Amino acid sequence: KAGVTQTPRYLIKTRGQQVTLSCSPISGHRSVSWYQQTPGQGLQFLFEYFSETQRNKGNFPGRFSGRQFSNSRSEMNVSTLELGDSALYLCASSLETGDNSPLHFGNGTRLTVT
Amino acid sequence: GESVGLHLPTLSVQEGDNSIINCAYSNSASDYFIWYKQESGKGPQFIIDIRSNMDKRQGQRVTVLLNKTVKHLSLQIAATQPGDSAVYFCAENINLETSGSRLTFGEGTQLTVNP
Repeated sequence: KAGVTQTPRYLIKTRGQQVTLSCSPISGHRSVSWYQQTPGQGLQFLFEYFSETQRNKGNFPGRFSGRQFSNSRSEMNVSTLELGDSALYLCASSLETGDNSPLHFGNGTRLTVT
Repeated sequence: GESVGLHLPTLSVQEGDNSIINCAYSNSASDYFIWYKQESGKGPQFIIDIRSNMDKRQGQRVTVLLNKTVKHLSLQIAATQPGDSAVYFCAENINLETSGSRLTFGEGTQLTVNP
């Protein structure tokens, strides 16, 4: 069974631009979560989607948004990029939501903002 | 805010020794805990989990211990191998039936296994 797939693996953007990251969950998984990883802040929760609905949201500004499609695939978008948005963005999937099943992570998208 | 913290940022062991990585958590409402391993250039890899109604769980060469009284979690790796070198994260989960779930991660411990 294929794992969580994230595309692209690397991105370089300029301040003020916007970016869209994509995530395909493990087959059969219906919950998709996004995390940001930086050396200074560690792993921080962005949001969780289940059945195309945002179930939970972390403490990030409104420039960070996401969505989930009917096939459980998910995208996240960051608008008006800032230098501080440079990070590894990780997508994770699980079977359900709120059922204490483990999250399985992809290898992330490395975003660099210049 | 509430957080999950690790006692040591780095741990160096000899190949074949047992390793113990510790984690403190502060949210008594957390009901599920997970250990992840992250190698350079990769995402976190699930190692083992434990629910709050248990105090010990064993996997292949790994054991997780949960002490709810002092809010402490530990990961024990038996016969540590060079391939175990990585950053290890503990994470706690608060499941909210009405609003989904979210993981709060610790800072991570860099485990280095010396041959």
